[in-house]
Amino acid sequence: DGGITQSPKYLFRKEGQNVTLSCEQNLNHDAMYWYRQDPGQGLRLIYYSQIVNDFQKGDIAEGYSVSREKKESFPLTVTSAQKNPTAFYLCASSHTRGAGIQPQHFGDGTRLSIL
Amino acid sequence: AQSVTQLDSHVSVSEGTPVLLRCNYSSSYSPSLFWYVQHPNKGLQLLLKYTSAATLVKGINGFEAEFKKSETSFHLTKPSAHMSDAAEYFCVVTFMEYGNKLVFGAGTILRVKS
Repeated sequence: DGGITQSPKYLFRKEGQNVTLSCEQNLNHDAMYWYRQDPGQGLRLIYYSQIVNDFQKGDIAEGYSVSREKKESFPLTVTSAQKNPTAFYLCASSHTRGAGIQPQHFGDGTRLSIL
Repeated sequence: AQSVTQLDSHVSVSEGTPVLLRCNYSSSYSPSLFWYVQHPNKGLQLLLKYTSAATLVKGINGFEAEFKKSETSFHLTKPSAHMSDAAEYFCVVTFMEYGNKLVFGAGTILRVKS
């Protein structure tokens, strides 16, 4: 079955450490997205990519980095510069072509906590 | 600027009674609107979408929503709640000029009592 796989499901970060969250999709979608979810705040966009080797900052990109070397993969690195990284991170993907706005499909998320 | 307001942070209903989750949006352009559902520690699942076709949109699991431009609303309804409907629901807006970037409401947690 096609879908989006995020790993790991739970992740712990030490002070000063960078960690990388994995996101893989086999839906043949061109666009991929990273969101951060905090209680009572909905989802906020961190980074997005419409095509391989290209990505743009979202609303809260500071302290995060991404790469898009393959269509199927869009890893997110939470750097030590992100001072409040504890959150639930969601990856999504969508088509970019076709009539109208294409809905985004979501993975099951990674919960990041600070040790 | 575009924004979404979900008018209730929590809604509690009894099993078998109607569900109403309210959403108002603000957008300078013709919007596309979505409702997503999230069960605990899971990703978001698309319930339904409005993209300028019929104003009454039917989704999965018996949910539907009506787009009312004059009221800038997109409320989600279901005639009869089921225990499995207990989850968090997000109203989301976007528009073509914004490049498919989504703007999320803060969410409404639906509790279903037996």
